[in-house]
Amino acid sequence: QVQLVQSGAEVKNPGSSVKVSCKASGGTLGNSDFGWIRQAPGHGLEWMGVAIPFVGITNYAQEFQGRLTISADESTNTAYMELRNLRPADTALYLCAHLWGNRVFDIWGQGTLVTVSS
Amino acid sequence: QSALTQPRSVSGSPGQSVTISCTGTRDDVGAYKYVSWYQQLPGKAPKVVIYDVDERPAGVPDRFSGSKSGNTASLTISGLQAEDEASYYCCSFAGGNTHVFGGGTTLTVL
Repeated sequence: QVQLVQSGAEVKNPGSSVKVSCKASGGTLGNSDFGWIRQAPGHGLEWMGVAIPFVGITNYAQEFQGRLTISADESTNTAYMELRNLRPADTALYLCAHLWGNRVFDIWGQGTLVTVSS
Repeated sequence: QSALTQPRSVSGSPGQSVTISCTGTRDDVGAYKYVSWYQQLPGKAPKVVIYDVDERPAGVPDRFSGSKSGNTASLTISGLQAEDEASYYCCSFAGGNTHVFGGGTTLTVL
C-alpha cells in the first residue's frame, strides 16, 4: 500500500519561504499527479494547486499566484511545495495528496504544520 | 474560485440517517461527475469516502452513499454509528486542472 510521507513541522519568519516535501513510500506512484491542500487552524480544506508531471502542467489557485511553486521529482517519487513571502495568515497544516485523474485525491500525506511568526 | 457551500453542522442519533449537501455552480458541481467526499477525524488527514459522485472506495461501508442533482451534491450516511462523528468535506473538479472544496460540515452523533 503506497503511503505519502511529508517532511517535518517548520517555524518561519514573515517574509521567508518554506519548502515541504512529500515522498511516496511502500511502492511507486510513477509519473503521478499531486495536489496540495492546506488547512488553517480550526478551518476547512483549501485547494492550493496541482502538478501534472506527465504533461508538464502546474496550476495554482488565484490567491497563491506568484508565491507558490509545486514540483515533482519522478526519480525519487517526491513532490514538493514551496511557498514564498510567508505571512502569519499562512500558518496552517499543509497536505499533499495523490490526484487520480482529476477525479479524486485518493491518498493523503500526514500533513506538515507550518507556523509563520516573528 | 468560491468554496462550495456546505452546512456547518448536522447531527443524528445512532441508527438514523443524515444527509450533507454541497452546493456549487454550473461551472463545477453542475458541470462534472468528479465530486468527491472526504471524512476527517480530529488530528488526522482526510480520507475519501465517495468519489465520482456516487462511487465508494474499497473498504468504505455501504452506509455511505452519494448523489447529485444539478449544482448540488449530497452525502448520505445511513445507520449512523458513533465512529462516523467527524468533519466531512466535498470537493469538485472545476475545469482547467482546478478543484474546489466545500467549507466542511461537522457531524455529531448524539
